[in-house]
Amino acid sequence: AQTVTQSQPEMSVQEAETVTLSCTYDTSENNYYLFWYKQPPSRQMILVIRQEAYKQQNATENRFSVNFQKAAKSFSLKISDSQLGDTAMYFCAFMSRGATNKLIFGTGTLLAVQP
Amino acid sequence: DVKVTQSSRYLVKRTGEKVFLECVQDMDHENMFWYRQDPGLGLRLIYFSYDVKMKEKGDIPEGYSVSREKKERFSLILESASTNQTSMYLCASRKAGSSSYNEQFFGPGTRLTVL
Repeated sequence: AQTVTQSQPEMSVQEAETVTLSCTYDTSENNYYLFWYKQPPSRQMILVIRQEAYKQQNATENRFSVNFQKAAKSFSLKISDSQLGDTAMYFCAFMSRGATNKLIFGTGTLLAVQP
Repeated sequence: DVKVTQSSRYLVKRTGEKVFLECVQDMDHENMFWYRQDPGLGLRLIYFSYDVKMKEKGDIPEGYSVSREKKERFSLILESASTNQTSMYLCASRKAGSSSYNEQFFGPGTRLTVL
């Protein structure tokens, strides 16, 4: 069974600085997708960024980028120029290409951006 | 914009009561999901529905049932609420199709307390 591990329950970063959130996963499959979701306080969860496992190039969305290391089964999220609005719970998630209705989530990292 | 709404943000019920949590999406999505979110456990899938009147158990279906009579509405039912069902419940929807990339869109969540 696939598992997703986020080893940092809480993190803190100063405004305008860069922070990296860690995620590792375990799977025997070769084709899959990885996601980072953001859940702001009292607001809806939204997708931040996604990566297809067969693509070697790391995904980037504005200030958000990932470091995808397939052999190491690692999928970290880097937030550059952190803003107060980045304060949220961040979830890493895995989806097998053969089971596209099932997202497997990590336990989350609570990120606090300090002014 | 996709909109997923849930009938209540906060709900307090008593042990043994029958509880209905309602979710409505306005984007004609085929797939709908119910998750439970608990601190330190992340999101866990309770049930999902491929389409109207079609449902499948997720990872933690015990104590829950679901109903999908119309495409836009997916209900989660707690037949006899227990205190261990106190949690945040998130609904999500997703467009089915050839692209496995189709993201899940989440509702704001219902925080249920069972006394």
